[in-house]
Amino acid sequence: DADVTQTPRNRITKTGKRIMLECSQTKGHDRMYWYRQDPGLGLRLIYYSFDVKDINKGEISDGYSVSRQAQAKFSLSLESAIPNQTALYFCATSDFPGTDTQYFGPGTRLTVL
Amino acid sequence: KQEVTQIPAALSVPEGENLVLNCSFTDSAIYNLQWFRQDPGKGLTSLLLIQSSQREQTSGRLNASLDKSSGRSTLYIAASQPGDSATYLCAVDPTNDYKLSFGAGTTVTVRA
Repeated sequence: DADVTQTPRNRITKTGKRIMLECSQTKGHDRMYWYRQDPGLGLRLIYYSFDVKDINKGEISDGYSVSRQAQAKFSLSLESAIPNQTALYFCATSDFPGTDTQYFGPGTRLTVL
Repeated sequence: KQEVTQIPAALSVPEGENLVLNCSFTDSAIYNLQWFRQDPGKGLTSLLLIQSSQREQTSGRLNASLDKSSGRSTLYIAASQPGDSATYLCAVDPTNDYKLSFGAGTTVTVRA
């Protein structure tokens, strides 16, 4: 089984709809991250959480919110989706102190019409 | 703000040729630099991580070098194979807070 899973893997929705992307991990890591990837651009950090009680905005948090339900679960919400939020979304985890490596989920492809 | 650039955006080589992928960053005050591989439909996989105090890291056919003063890293893949076809991304951690700054990636195609 994959260490970092994301659901759904693909989602098509309409402008104005609320969407939740979920991430679960079995690696036992405290730190979790949400990124988005757009064609021709690198991954950009949306939100990150260093433990259940610690949530921080990343580079591009406007229009997004997150919830850290447990050490293993980190959800990303789009309260009112808009077309420019169409992107590939990745969840990642890392341990601290540890190897400094981030472990990524398979991604969720979101299309907002 | 750290800017990470990867040139070229795409590369096509015949099988067996050595690959050279470039990454440049604007702020030399980094904690570490990582190279990732991305396959379609899959997440990123970490290939090599170079700490700021290191000059290079090697794993099998892969070798990554780091020159902080010039703001450059190079990933070498020896004797390329079709299975090396993927997108390769570099990412910089500026302050050991795990907030990585990514380049846009180089998409590699190895022709059989």
